[in-house]
Amino acid sequence: GQQVMQIPQYQHVQEGEDFTTYCNSSTTLSNIQWYKQRPGGHPVFLIQLVKSGEVKKQKRLTFQFGEAKKNSSLHITATQTTDVGTYFCAGGGTSGTYKYIFGTGTRLKVLA
Amino acid sequence: ETGVTQSPTHLIKTRGQQVTLRCSSQSGHNTVSWYQQALGQGPQFIFQYYREEENGRGNFPPRFSGLQFPNYSSELNVNALELDDSALYLCASTRYNEQFFGPGTRLTVL
Repeated sequence: GQQVMQIPQYQHVQEGEDFTTYCNSSTTLSNIQWYKQRPGGHPVFLIQLVKSGEVKKQKRLTFQFGEAKKNSSLHITATQTTDVGTYFCAGGGTSGTYKYIFGTGTRLKVLA
Repeated sequence: ETGVTQSPTHLIKTRGQQVTLRCSSQSGHNTVSWYQQALGQGPQFIFQYYREEENGRGNFPPRFSGLQFPNYSSELNVNALELDDSALYLCASTRYNEQFFGPGTRLTVL
């Protein structure tokens, strides 16, 4: 079945450093979503990418969708302590449903 | 906040018992999905309902079942609970492809 992997599993950065998490799907995706989950919280929608090669920015966050629509990345510039949490990608398949396969997640810790 | 609520917040059951978890989503959100999130892992898709009909299912056995009601509420039922069912259960309502997650129900099976 479809699998979505993320690397790295954990990342500790010093406040002000950049951070990137990578997401890879075993199958071609119709779209990809990114979520942030704070410790003890629930996933919060960040963005959806649909087009091949798409790049979207939200303030210090940059999201990319690969040309083959099988991989994606999230880059955070100049991390802040408020960026702490686990970042998940969720791949949407082509079945016509809103079925999303979540990645394994990258847990980010930011050291002040 | 997302406007999606779930009850109860926490629940403790014993192996073999049955459990019903509830979710109330926002008005107009016709699609609701249920996810199981084990500790330290990503949410795993259980199933999805659209206009009260099941609209997709993940790799979960038939003892996981659900219902969606006209008032945008839904239920997840799990029969014959197993120890591995211990997890955070999340519901998410969808509007314009964006999923709004509820706070989850933490289920512990002893």
